[in-house]
Formats: sequence, C-alpha cells, structure tokens
Amino acid sequence: DTGVSQDPRHKITKRGQNVTFRCDPISEHNRLYWYRQTLGQGPEFLTYFQNEAQLEKSRLLSDRFSAERPKGSFSTLEIQRTEQGDSAMYLCASSQGLAADTQYFGPGTRLTVL
Amino acid sequence: KNEVEQSPQNLTAQEGEFITINCSYSVGISALHWLQQHPGGGIVSLFMLSSGKKKHGRLIATINIQEKHSSLHITASHPRDSAVYICAATYSGAGSYQLTFGKGTKLSVIP
Repeated sequence: DTGVSQDPRHKITKRGQNVTFRCDPISEHNRLYWYRQTLGQGPEFLTYFQNEAQLEKSRLLSDRFSAERPKGSFSTLEIQRTEQGDSAMYLCASSQGLAADTQYFGPGTRLTVL
Repeated sequence: KNEVEQSPQNLTAQEGEFITINCSYSVGISALHWLQQHPGGGIVSLFMLSSGKKKHGRLIATINIQEKHSSLHITASHPRDSAVYICAATYSGAGSYQLTFGKGTKLSVIP
C-alpha cells in the first residue's frame, strides 16, 4: 500500500493552455474524489467516481473541466483553456466505498496559471 | 445548505497548553471528520466519528449530535502539532459521500 499519489506536484502554465493531472488511488479503493483548494480556504468538492463511473459533479466543474477514470484505477483531471482563477491546489482522495468512510488524500497538484 | 463552520481561524499556543478547536455543522450528517494539513498541502485524516468520543494519543475528538457541534482537543501541545486542522462533514443524502469542509484552523505552537 503506497498511498495516493498525484502527478505532477507542481504545474505552471500560461493562460489558455490545457493541463492534465493524474491521480493513482490506493489499490482496490472503489471511490475516487477530486477536490480543489484555494489559499486560506478549505477544499471544495469537484467530482466523484465509483469505480469507472463518474457519478457526481459539482457546479464548480465548468465545461472546461473533464475527469476520467477509464479502468476504475487511476484518474485524470483535464482543464482546457486555463484561466487565472483556476490557480489552486487540486487534491485527489480515495476510499474503500463503505458508506461514509475515511478518505485518503494525495499530496496534491499545485497549479499556477500566469 | 450544508455548511461547516470552524473557530477559531487562527490559534497560537505555548508548548504544553491544552488546545480546543470547535466545529459546528448543519443538520443531517452521517459522519464528522477531523483532518490535519501540513504546509505543502498533504492532508491526513485524524478521526471520523458519528457519536461520542474518540482518542488517539494526545488528540481527542468529541461530537454532540443534539447541538450539532464537535471539538478537537490536543493535550500537552507540542511545536510539531503546528498545522492546519480541518473539520469536514459527510452529509446524509450525498450519494457520493463527498466531504464538506470548514475553512480550517491554523495552529501554531510556540516552544
């Protein structure tokens, strides 16, 4: 059990560029979550996968955002046409899938849009 | 609206002091979580509770369902306890079991 990993840890991009982040959850964890955290705030929910199915998306997830979990293992989060307001820490978490259970967080990807 | 409120936002304590962080939430949770976040972003789950009290080392978490209130206590605080402590709730009916977070309490423990 190596924990939840995220790649890259830091990303600096210019406004208008596309970026993609990867999350590898703890193996055999059915649930995978993406959250976004801006400076001085608590994280906010973006989207949720149960195995490969994306079952819920926040209103925060505009049409420039897309997430996938193609084989129910790793997940990717893509942001198209990045804006300065997208600058944040993007956090991935996974859990076993037992009702309300403990979520295990990755180290996050810090995105800076210039 | 499902909300989680924490207080205080910032807390400075002398080493050895007893620390309390408070959290209030809206009706209808299925679980209350306390998490710790160190500089650099990593978040670690400390407790998940739906009733009563849990203890791990010098950390104690309590919840009062009737008052919709939870507290995190740290006994004999130490500089290594310095971090942001975040309260989060899982609301019943949220089929995803997503967490709704408070803004966090930044704790600094001075030697």
